[in-house]
Amino acid sequence: DAGVIQSPRHEVTEMGQEVTLRCKPISGHDYLFWYRQTMMRGLELLIYFNNNVPIDDSGMPEDRFSAKMPNASFSTLKIQPSEPRDSAVYFCASSLRVVRSPLHFGNGTRLTVT
Amino acid sequence: AQTVTQSQPEMSVQEAETVTLSCTYDTSESDYYLFWYKQPPSRQMILVIRQEAYKQQNATENRFSVNFQKAAKSFSLKISDSQLGDAAMYFCAYRSAGGNEKLTFGTGTRLTIIP
Repeated sequence: DAGVIQSPRHEVTEMGQEVTLRCKPISGHDYLFWYRQTMMRGLELLIYFNNNVPIDDSGMPEDRFSAKMPNASFSTLKIQPSEPRDSAVYFCASSLRVVRSPLHFGNGTRLTVT
Repeated sequence: AQTVTQSQPEMSVQEAETVTLSCTYDTSESDYYLFWYKQPPSRQMILVIRQEAYKQQNATENRFSVNFQKAAKSFSLKISDSQLGDAAMYFCAYRSAGGNEKLTFGTGTRLTIIP
């Protein structure tokens, strides 16, 4: 089992540029989550999908953020245009349908917007 | 909405000793799941232990055990025989058994192991 795979591991970009973060969940997992981690706000849920359908996007900060899951094995989180306050570590996680199943996290993408 | 509180931003323990990390949560639900995750400097989020709210027996995983007090809404983590590799941020998390499947995290406790 390869685990949840995120890319890139690090991303440095200039303010105003478009940023796309990628995630491949564990095969067979029904749920996919995008979290953001900052020192000030801790771990925040941005959005999650069930069977590729967005269920709760109330954590998406604003219209600059968008997430898609075109199929069961791939998801993207896009920020356009990026701002310095978007600098954070972005985690993707997946889990089975069974609620007692834990979330399995990827290694995260550290985004720096200058 | 559920909230998770970790009141100890930092803790330290002597190697080979025992340490307990505190966690409380607020919910109106009767069925839910609780988790402890570890985040070492590599930033990988690693599951340490989980507890089903309907089970009275406290979960254990090798040197890690929990003290689950449902009435008090308390879920502490005990680490026995602390090792240098236990140094990390520890996050307590809550997941509803019905409805919203998201994981709600506490703010974390940074654990330092003193050689």
